[in-house]
Amino acid sequence: NAGVTQTPKFQVLKTGQSMTLQCAQDMNHEYMSWYRQDPGMGLRLIHYSVGAGITDQGEVPNGYNVSRSTTEDFPLRLLSAAPSQTSVYFCASRGFHAYEQYFGPGTRLTVT
Amino acid sequence: GNSVTQMEGPVTLSEEAFLTINCTYTATGYPSLFWYVQYPGEGLQLLLKATKADDKGSNKGFEATYRKETTSFHLEKGSVQVSDSAVYFCALTLTNAGKSTFGDGTTLTVKP
Repeated sequence: NAGVTQTPKFQVLKTGQSMTLQCAQDMNHEYMSWYRQDPGMGLRLIHYSVGAGITDQGEVPNGYNVSRSTTEDFPLRLLSAAPSQTSVYFCASRGFHAYEQYFGPGTRLTVT
Repeated sequence: GNSVTQMEGPVTLSEEAFLTINCTYTATGYPSLFWYVQYPGEGLQLLLKATKADDKGSNKGFEATYRKETTSFHLEKGSVQVSDSAVYFCALTLTNAGKSTFGDGTTLTVKP
């Protein structure tokens, strides 16, 4: 099992550019989430999904889109990057009957 | 809503010292409780968990007991090592909830 994988590991964008952060899991987990981690602010939930075709907003959804067309994949799209989106992004998944989250290694994004 | 409050850091200890990191929670239902650990440059990984009142989670010498009466889940270790230096997150997940709620994290540094 690869677990939760994220690509790319590092990314630098210019303000206004768009990009997609990829997340995949091979554990057949129903639930998937995206978090951002900023110094002194812990983890903040961006979007989450309870199954293919179903997504919902977290506490900081503005500027981000998600879709869940398959159980395995949950990409996060930045529509028009802003310096405030400079952060480390983590994808996580969990199964329906187990409540612990499995995290990917993260994507470190810098917007200049 | 749901929330998790952790002891503020950073915490600096000498090797072999006793560790306590406090965690309290509020929840609208009956949560499962977790401690996650994040080593530098990595994603979060599960350290221990407890799914019902009075359960004790333990792993790698760390322990935490689910106290429903005080809504707490304090992390303890009797003798810390330099390799325990990391950021520790307390978290909760409600039954059938798609998302988890995390504390802000506590940075632990252990000096030789």
